[in-house]
Amino acid sequence: AQKVTQAQTEISVVEKEDVTLDCVYETRDTTYYLFWYKQPPSGELVFLIRRNSFDEQNEISGRYSWNFQKSTSSFNFTITASQVVDSAVYFCALSEAYSGGGADGLTFGKGTHLIIQP
Amino acid sequence: DVKVTQSSRYLVKRTGEKVFLECVQDMDHENMFWYRQDPGLGLRLIYFSYDVKMKEKGDIPEGYSVSREKKERFSLILESASTNQTSMYLCASIEGQGNTGELFFGEGSRLTVL
Repeated sequence: AQKVTQAQTEISVVEKEDVTLDCVYETRDTTYYLFWYKQPPSGELVFLIRRNSFDEQNEISGRYSWNFQKSTSSFNFTITASQVVDSAVYFCALSEAYSGGGADGLTFGKGTHLIIQP
Repeated sequence: DVKVTQSSRYLVKRTGEKVFLECVQDMDHENMFWYRQDPGLGLRLIYFSYDVKMKEKGDIPEGYSVSREKKERFSLILESASTNQTSMYLCASIEGQGNTGELFFGEGSRLTVL
């Protein structure tokens, strides 16, 4: 069965520090999809990125970057020069292709609460 | 701007009451979902629907039912609310079937059952 582990329940850093949120996954499938979502205090989860299992290229989007390593089953998320607006709960999620790869087969981690102090 | 709208942000109900949580999306998405979010447990899927009048159980359907009479609207029903159903409820939608793209979420409905 698929599983997503976000070992860091809460992280607190001072503004402008870099911070990495860890995500480790388990799957039997060779084809799968990984996601990161951000949940700000308003409550609405916002999609950040999707990565399929055949694309191990790291991704950078502004201050955000993602490191996908199949060898360690990890999909870590780094925020560079953090800002107070980055404060949120961040969820990592996994969808296996054998389940149709559909959103009904999406498994979320328990989330990491990131606090950026001014 | 695409939108998933949940009718109530905060509700307080008494044990045994019937509760309706409404969700409307304006993106013409086929798939809609209800999740429950609890501290330390993350998001858990309650029910989902791939089409009008169609519903499928998720991981924790007990104590809940759903209704999808129109494509844009997906309702979550608690027939007899209990205190262990106090939680944040999140509605989401996605385009197409078996789509692995972006889920669009509403802002959530925080339900307290006394």
